[in-house]
Amino acid sequence: EVQLVESGGGLVKPGGSLRLSCAASGFTFSSYSMNWVRQAPGKGLEWVSSISSSSSYIYYADSVKGRFTISRDNAKNALYLQMNSLRAEDTAVYYCARDLFSSTFDPWGQGTLVTVSS
Amino acid sequence: QSVLTQPPSVSAAPGQKVTISCSGSSSNIGNNYVSWYQQLPGTAPKLLIYDINKRPSGIPDRFSGSKSGTSATLGITGLQTGDEADYYCGTWDSSLSAGVFGGGTKLTVL
Repeated sequence: EVQLVESGGGLVKPGGSLRLSCAASGFTFSSYSMNWVRQAPGKGLEWVSSISSSSSYIYYADSVKGRFTISRDNAKNALYLQMNSLRAEDTAVYYCARDLFSSTFDPWGQGTLVTVSS
Repeated sequence: QSVLTQPPSVSAAPGQKVTISCSGSSSNIGNNYVSWYQQLPGTAPKLLIYDINKRPSGIPDRFSGSKSGTSATLGITGLQTGDEADYYCGTWDSSLSAGVFGGGTKLTVL
């Protein structure tokens, strides 16, 4: 079964840092681009970042550029999101998602909640 | 404000048909693959339609997709109460070099 499991969310103060992880199983992780998508409470989906299968191509939403860093470890079947200089508006459930092709996301993980508050 | 434009809500009676529109531009829908996602309350989004009108295994043929120019449409026939959810369109935007989603449409089955 193809599965993605996020971890690392929690409560952090404004200006703080957090590292999210996504453990992949059930498919050849090294063959797929991967993405992070977030959803603020009661709001819609917002694409955050993507990384190609070999990490050659990396993209970020303008809202997180310069503060977030996406990375992956194909040997460990793991995707990461390092989040620095966190703001209240970064509060959201963060999902990792496999990119089948051209931003077609399937499956999605169950999400991990990040709350930025003093 | 989302790059892709969807109606905030649609509603219809059980057994009826509903369509949800998604409007974009040549840099996204017009020249890239479009997908649709269903998000049931309290759950993660699920891929519903990809490559305009293809369905992943397990998705019933009551769900369909189409595209014309810079707009895409999701159709749902034979509405069931279990279809009540938020629906999102998504694609890649070549000008932004970013993934983009619509703002989401809440479907109510009356």
